[in-house]
Amino acid sequence: NAGVMQNPRHLVRRRGQEARLRCSPMKGHSHVYWYRQLPEEGLKFMVYLQKENIIDESGMPKERFSAEFPKEGPSILRIQQVVRGDSAAYFCASSPADTSREQYFGPGTRLTVT
Amino acid sequence: GENVEQHPSTLSVQEGDSAVIKCTYSDSASNYFPWYKQELGKGPQLIIDIRSNVGEKKDQRIAVTLNKTAKHFSLHITETQPEDSAVYFCTAGGTSYGKLTFGQGTILTVHP
Repeated sequence: NAGVMQNPRHLVRRRGQEARLRCSPMKGHSHVYWYRQLPEEGLKFMVYLQKENIIDESGMPKERFSAEFPKEGPSILRIQQVVRGDSAAYFCASSPADTSREQYFGPGTRLTVT
Repeated sequence: GENVEQHPSTLSVQEGDSAVIKCTYSDSASNYFPWYKQELGKGPQLIIDIRSNVGEKKDQRIAVTLNKTAKHFSLHITETQPEDSAVYFCTAGGTSYGKLTFGQGTILTVHP
């Protein structure tokens, strides 16, 4: 049973470009979460999605950031017009549609903005 | 919103010793407390969790305790091994699903 998959693992973008991060949840999981980790810090919640719905985006910056989880395909975190402060590790987690609430994390995408 | 404080930030022990990491949370509505282990360059790995209707839970060398009145929870690792060396995060969740609030992390080093 494959775990949570994220790609790319490493992404380098120049200031002003767009970054697209992908997350495929574990088989049978319908809840997806995105977190951001700055160097030597804990993870900070960004957004929680179910298929075709954003449930909680309270941690998302108001501008330049968006997320989706379409009916088919992976969840996408999109960052437009990246700035150096966006450099971080972005982790996706998934959980099953039962009451266990256990979140399982992917290996992360390390974004570097030059 | 929820705030989770974690101590110590670094912990160094000899192989075979015990390690204890302590956390406090602020939101009395939080009722789910998972712990994660993160190795260098990898994603966090769920190692154990505890829910608010339980005061203690054990899984082999790992145990967690929860004091809801004081809003404290702790991770205990016994008979530590070098492969336990990693960053450990306590987290708190407050709804049926939804976000986890992470502590700042503890860098645990187990010396052979």
